[in-house]
Amino acid sequence: AQKITQTQPGMFVQEKEAVTLDCTYDTSDQSYGLFWYKQPSSGEMIFLIYQGSYDEQNATEGRYSLNFQKARKSANLVISASQLGDSAMYFCAMRAPPHGNQFYFGTGTSLTVIP
Amino acid sequence: GAVVSQHPSRVICKSGTSVKIECRSLDFQATTMFWYRQFPKQSLMLMATSNEGSKATYEQGVEKDKFLINHASLTLSTLTVTSAHPEDSSFYICSARVRDDPQYFGPGTRLTVL
Repeated sequence: AQKITQTQPGMFVQEKEAVTLDCTYDTSDQSYGLFWYKQPSSGEMIFLIYQGSYDEQNATEGRYSLNFQKARKSANLVISASQLGDSAMYFCAMRAPPHGNQFYFGTGTSLTVIP
Repeated sequence: GAVVSQHPSRVICKSGTSVKIECRSLDFQATTMFWYRQFPKQSLMLMATSNEGSKATYEQGVEKDKFLINHASLTLSTLTVTSAHPEDSSFYICSARVRDDPQYFGPGTRLTVL
C-alpha cells in the first residue's frame, strides 16, 4: 500500500525565516518520485519541486529545497526566506512506480507567513 | 513550465443539467490526463485517468456514467458531469503529464449545483 503522511495541518512562520514542512511516505517500490505542490487560495496547484528515489542529492529550486532521507522515508520541504506570498496549502505527493499513473497526495499543510 | 488551462473556472447550474469542463495542455502534448475532485480543506481525490484515444480508467467509487471523460486529443480532455445534483458541487481539477514529468495542474473549476 502506498501512503503519504503530512502531520502538520497548520504552520506559522515569520516573514524572512525558514520553515520546514514535514512529509513521510510508505511504499514497497524501490523506484518512486516525490513531489511538492503549492495551492494558494485561488485553487491552482503549482508544482514546486521533485525528488527521484535514486537521486543522491537533495533537490533544490530557488528558495525551495527537499530534505530527502530515504532510510527514514521522509521528504520534507524547506522554504527559506519566507515571503507573504508563500502563505498557501502545501501538498506532498508520490508517484510509485515512476511510470505508473497513480499519484498519492498527502492531506496538506496550511502555511501562514506572518509579517 | 508546462501550462494547463481549464474552462470554465466557475459554473453554476440547476439540478438535473449536465456540465462540461474542458482541460487543455497549452504548450505540450500530454500522454496522460487526470481528473481530481477536491472538497473544502481536503486533499485531492483522483477520479479518473485518461489516455488519448482510449477509455478512461476510473477510481473505485467513481461512477463512470455520472462523470463522462473524453480524451479526444493529446491536448484536450473533457469531463462531463451528467444530471448534476447538489452533492456534485465541488472543485474539479485536471492535470496533465508527459511520461515521467511532474503532473501539471489546471487552475480548477468550481461547480455549484443549485
